[in-house]
Amino acid sequence: QKEVEQDPGPLSVPEGAIVSLNCTYSNSAFQYFMWYRQYSRKGPELLMYTYSSGNKEDGRFTAQVDKSSKYISLFIRDSQPSDSATYLCAMSDNYGQNFVFGPGTRLSVLP
Amino acid sequence: DAGVTQSPTHLIKTRGQHVTLRCSPISGHKSVSWYQQVLGQGPQFIFQYYEKEERGRGNFPDRFSARQFPNYSSELNVNALLLGDSALYLCASSLTQGQGYGYTFGSGTRLTVV
Repeated sequence: QKEVEQDPGPLSVPEGAIVSLNCTYSNSAFQYFMWYRQYSRKGPELLMYTYSSGNKEDGRFTAQVDKSSKYISLFIRDSQPSDSATYLCAMSDNYGQNFVFGPGTRLSVLP
Repeated sequence: DAGVTQSPTHLIKTRGQHVTLRCSPISGHKSVSWYQQVLGQGPQFIFQYYEKEERGRGNFPDRFSARQFPNYSSELNVNALLLGDSALYLCASSLTQGQGYGYTFGSGTRLTVV
């Protein structure tokens, strides 16, 4: 079992749809949970991060962490064509010694 | 303020050759991490340097090495290149040896080995 798993996609949705992106993980030591967005031929950029369990909202984006299930999600409301990118979940322990990315989900939002 | 800069942006090398990739972190950032991203996969951790000392190493062969200079810039060296080393090499800088949420990534160096 890989340490972090993510639906590979690709995922295609119409503009305005609600998008749900998910990751599962196996290492219970992970405490920081991040979502990065990566446009083609660019480096990843941090969208949101959450510490431990709970929800966090930032504009159209909501991150959820359920440590009991080892499951994290990113929701995008009112999706826009500019949201088309690869979304990477990432997580680390408290000490930054183990920072791991998921394989990414490619999202296309169609106008 | 400049972000993380990486050079070169693209590179084509032949199997068996050596390559050096360079990274300049954001001003004031003391930690640099290197990642390899193969097409269609997430970035894989190669090295982390903080205050010029190696603080972490991923599961990569000894052909991969790195160093950090007094001005906190960094080099990644890969010897005896293999076709499988073809990838996007990403550099991330952070203020300290952080937990990942403080990382800023450069746009990467795309290495093609033929």
